[in-house]
Amino acid sequence: GAVVSQHPSWVICKSGTSVKIECRSLDFQATTMFWYRQFPKQSLMLMATSNEGSKATYEQGVEKDKFLINHASLTLSTLTVTSAHPEDSSFYICSARGGGEFEPQHFGDGTRLSIL
Amino acid sequence: GQNIDQPTEMTATEGAIVQINCTYQTSGFNGLFWYQQHAGEAPTFLSYNVLDGLEEKGRFSSFLSRSKGYSYLLLKELQMKDSASYLCAVMDSNYQLIWGAGTKLIIKP
Repeated sequence: GAVVSQHPSWVICKSGTSVKIECRSLDFQATTMFWYRQFPKQSLMLMATSNEGSKATYEQGVEKDKFLINHASLTLSTLTVTSAHPEDSSFYICSARGGGEFEPQHFGDGTRLSIL
Repeated sequence: GQNIDQPTEMTATEGAIVQINCTYQTSGFNGLFWYQQHAGEAPTFLSYNVLDGLEEKGRFSSFLSRSKGYSYLLLKELQMKDSASYLCAVMDSNYQLIWGAGTKLIIKP
């Protein structure tokens, strides 16, 4: 149980392109979803937290207009990196949590984004 | 500030036992998680401790001492597939997860 699917797993695109990443909880309802980015050999950095039907809460330093998050249903959240540039290249990982705060987060397989 | 400390890298031998320590200073405490992350993959949940003591789950055990701000993950009968990074994360009083930088565990034959 507790499977999270993230798509696509790998994206290579030109600078200026917008990229959309989907995160789905397949066998449970995710009341809360999280978006992280991780640079090589570094820890996870939380970008934003989203609850179904409400606006995402962004961490300090994360641009809301650049990283658009939509949590339209209890099983789907999307992250759109708008007008991506090479410095946005990273490993983006979503996680989902059903139930309350004490439930573990279950992670998707991540999306490796490379901007040329 | 909030801080999670764990060793950067550890090396152990196949079949042996290894203990990965994690110390924390956070604003409040609502539990501590351990995750395993293989290179290039997303983390997978291993354990959750909120009360003091040892929680055993197969070859993996996790220990917590809230008064000392300390936890460890114990891996027994090490296998090559256990080579991975192990992330310690603490949930603070705002129910936010504070992540450690991870401990890279290298298993040698």
